[in-house]
Amino acid sequence: SQTIHQWPATLVQPVGSPLSLECTVEGTSNPNLYWYRQAAGRGLQLLFYSVGIGQISSEVPQNLSASRPQDRQFILSSKKLLLSDSGFYLCAWSVLDSGEQYFGPGTRLTVT
Amino acid sequence: KQEVTQIPAALSVPEGENLVLNCSFTDSAIYNLQWFRQDPGKGLTSLLLIQSSQREQTSGRLNASLDKSSGRSTLYIAASQPGDSATYLCAPALTDSWGKLQFGAGTQVVVTP
Repeated sequence: SQTIHQWPATLVQPVGSPLSLECTVEGTSNPNLYWYRQAAGRGLQLLFYSVGIGQISSEVPQNLSASRPQDRQFILSSKKLLLSDSGFYLCAWSVLDSGEQYFGPGTRLTVT
Repeated sequence: KQEVTQIPAALSVPEGENLVLNCSFTDSAIYNLQWFRQDPGKGLTSLLLIQSSQREQTSGRLNASLDKSSGRSTLYIAASQPGDSATYLCAPALTDSWGKLQFGAGTQVVVTP
């Protein structure tokens, strides 16, 4: 069966510090991968998606970036965090034929 | 751009009542539509997936309908239980969008014993 992992579960970082969030998927090959953010009092917003290794598309201009160094690994990064980057970050993968998406447990990021 | 609206924003019912959650979307060129459940501080759990060619999908006490032409989907939860308390999210994916989901703001459900 397929499993999706995210770490860390929670993170508190000062403004201006770097960020690296990791997501890995087990039990499937060549999945589409997605990063979403859920800010306090706001809905889920798609940040990045990837259809293959090294192929990243950005949905929202911001100081975040994403990379996919391996087939089942998706990384969200920032060189300098802003207060507005605080939120709940969710990674997801999708089944290619049906398109059904499955979400990880999320990372709660607080920028102070 | 796809706009997704969920009504009501919040709902409180006594245990045993049936729940009706509504979702509307502006672009009917969808590939599929998913309903999710989110518990506080947790990730999303997929409840039902309806393909654009389907009219409804059922899983246990859950039934979701889809009227693509009118841009509406409804999630029915029969005989609600306190464990059904959560936020329910609707998310259609447009055709040729690589599966990108557009989420509604959700309906927060409280089922009281």
